[in-house]
Amino acid sequence: GAGVSQSPRYKVAKRGQDVALRCDPISGHVSLFWYQQALGQGPEFLTYFQNEAQLDKSGLPSDRFFAERPEGSVSTLKIQRTQQEDSAVYLCASSLGSGSGNTIYFGEGSWLTVV
Amino acid sequence: RKEVEQDPGPFNVPEGATVAFNCTYSNSASQSFFWYRQDCRKEPKLLMSVYSSGNEDGRFTAQLNRASQYISLLIRDSKLSDSATYLCVDPISTGGTSYGKLTFGQGTILTVHP
Repeated sequence: GAGVSQSPRYKVAKRGQDVALRCDPISGHVSLFWYQQALGQGPEFLTYFQNEAQLDKSGLPSDRFFAERPEGSVSTLKIQRTQQEDSAVYLCASSLGSGSGNTIYFGEGSWLTVV
Repeated sequence: RKEVEQDPGPFNVPEGATVAFNCTYSNSASQSFFWYRQDCRKEPKLLMSVYSSGNEDGRFTAQLNRASQYISLLIRDSKLSDSATYLCVDPISTGGTSYGKLTFGQGTILTVHP
């Protein structure tokens, strides 16, 4: 389809394992966001890219979290040495422009469970 | 204080009922907001925008009270399909950035029963 695509949809990781979550935004979308949504909570901002530039990473909870978007399209969120508190849905979103007036489209999320 | 606060509910209402949710926000500079809807195990989707002048879309009415810093969502004639989590959203961070970053409330769970 033409929407935001995320993979894997579900991931079970053993504590201490590294994981990589992929996001394919809508083609041509300049802005890309990652959010973390814990059970029973609203999504929490992690990081923002404008094309390939990571302009805001203020929401990344620790240095174990790393995101990249090297060619300004596909993005990867990497979590090193996963811990149980990392269990959450990781949502990717994109928008055509870079202003607050642009409609933001979310992917269905990657469900991460750390055991 | 959280930037956006909502009563998590749950709200359980019969079909046809009118239900209202409130949301309070802390950023006095914010001038518009969103209500998003999130179905179970699905992504959030934009329901409607909220401005000072209010906004109405069919059975849904959203109001913004800037003096008291709260936003409301009113759903009339509730349908079974309205069952979802409703998220109140501030599109401008407390840092004043306006590139589209969204600050979400916790969400209010609505269940409409027959």
